[in-house]
Amino acid sequence: EAQVTQNPRYLITVTGKKLTVTCSQNMNHEYMSWYRQDPGLGLRQIYYSMNVEVTDKGDVPEGYKVSRKEKRNFPLILESPSPNQTSLYFCASSDRGDAWNEQFFGPGTRLTVL
Amino acid sequence: AQTVTQSQPEMSVQEAETVTLSCTYDTSESDYYLFWYKQPPSRQMILVIRQEAYKQQNATENRFSVNFQKAAKSFSLKISDSQLGDAAMYFCAYFSGSARQLTFGSGTQLTVLP
Repeated sequence: EAQVTQNPRYLITVTGKKLTVTCSQNMNHEYMSWYRQDPGLGLRQIYYSMNVEVTDKGDVPEGYKVSRKEKRNFPLILESPSPNQTSLYFCASSDRGDAWNEQFFGPGTRLTVL
Repeated sequence: AQTVTQSQPEMSVQEAETVTLSCTYDTSESDYYLFWYKQPPSRQMILVIRQEAYKQQNATENRFSVNFQKAAKSFSLKISDSQLGDAAMYFCAYFSGSARQLTFGSGTQLTVLP
């Protein structure tokens, strides 16, 4: 089954404790991205990657890091989480970054930073 | 930067009736794509319909259709014969052909009344 998986689905942590949210896709997609969803703001792009070892900032990259060492994986790293990073996070992938090809979204990760 | 505006935070429709969700966007680009995504209570992001900017013909997918007014930068979604399963948050999104970024509106929460 073609899918994007994210782990963990739910996470409660404390300020300053480094965490990683994993994202993996099994569709051999080149393009992957991370979004955060906040009430009244919709989804905002954090980082995206056009291919292995190629990443770029989205609209809200501050406080986040990403890496793309393998085509299928695109982890989101919060080195020192803060309460304003409490949000719902989505990973997505698509083929060749072509907008006409549907972006497949993961199930979301609900993060709470205390 | 592109902006996407959904001016209706909430809407309701009677089952079997028709409802139209509004979306406007601001851009100076000529190469772009527009999407409507549905997010049910499960939080999964589901692509409803998409439109290429260079196509004048409005996209249609079963009970879902769009009214694409390029000069007015308007992209509304019409849902015909509304069903209870259509109840969800609906997001309008703009994809930049040059920046390869997806920008979302703030969403419209649709309630379907039995």
